[in-house]
Amino acid sequence: DSGVTQTPKHLITATGQRVTLRCSPRSGDLSVYWYQQSLDQGLQFLIHYYNGEERAKGNILERFSAQQFPDLHSELNLSSLELGDSALYFCASSVGLLAGGEGEQFFGPGTRLTVL
Amino acid sequence: EDQVTQSPEALRLQEGESSSLNCSYTVSGLRGLFWYRQDPGKGPEFLFTLYSAGEEKEKERLKATLTKKESFLHITAPKPEDSATYLCAVQETYGNTPLVFGKGTRLSVIA
Repeated sequence: DSGVTQTPKHLITATGQRVTLRCSPRSGDLSVYWYQQSLDQGLQFLIHYYNGEERAKGNILERFSAQQFPDLHSELNLSSLELGDSALYFCASSVGLLAGGEGEQFFGPGTRLTVL
Repeated sequence: EDQVTQSPEALRLQEGESSSLNCSYTVSGLRGLFWYRQDPGKGPEFLFTLYSAGEEKEKERLKATLTKKESFLHITAPKPEDSATYLCAVQETYGNTPLVFGKGTRLSVIA
């Protein structure tokens, strides 16, 4: 158990819908990262928040957005869902601002999103 | 061009048959190289961080090494419970760059 929690574990929805994925980081970790994992693309970085502020963006679609709240939990919002958005979505957390050298990333169990 | 390339894509070993997984990377400056283990349907589990060429780290049957262009994950006398996908990730030195992951090596250890 990494100490990172994600809800829900599974989500099945229809195209065009909007969903929210939730992540609680390990106690004491200030950084939260979101990743998307699909069979063909591997693990792709989406976005990084540190202590409530956005710090880095990867290949995140405009239909996707995220935020980190004062209690440090984070939410990833996915809207106008398409079939291709079906994937595993992982949240990870680390102590410091930088992923490496100041703390390794610890991953949650993921949310499996299925868009029908 | 991929920054991180892992080989082989899949590896099947008999129990006790030692082998190595490879992770080659192309970054201008390396802050850290990370190894993770991922079981099906679960989140990656952190194994090691390597920072500089020549560095080695060990954990049970696993040993990770780092050169200037690649890292190896050596598995000694593997057991069926070592079956998993092993992911390698790198982070560049400059700025707050995210981890870049390879596509992984899927390891199967047969009893």
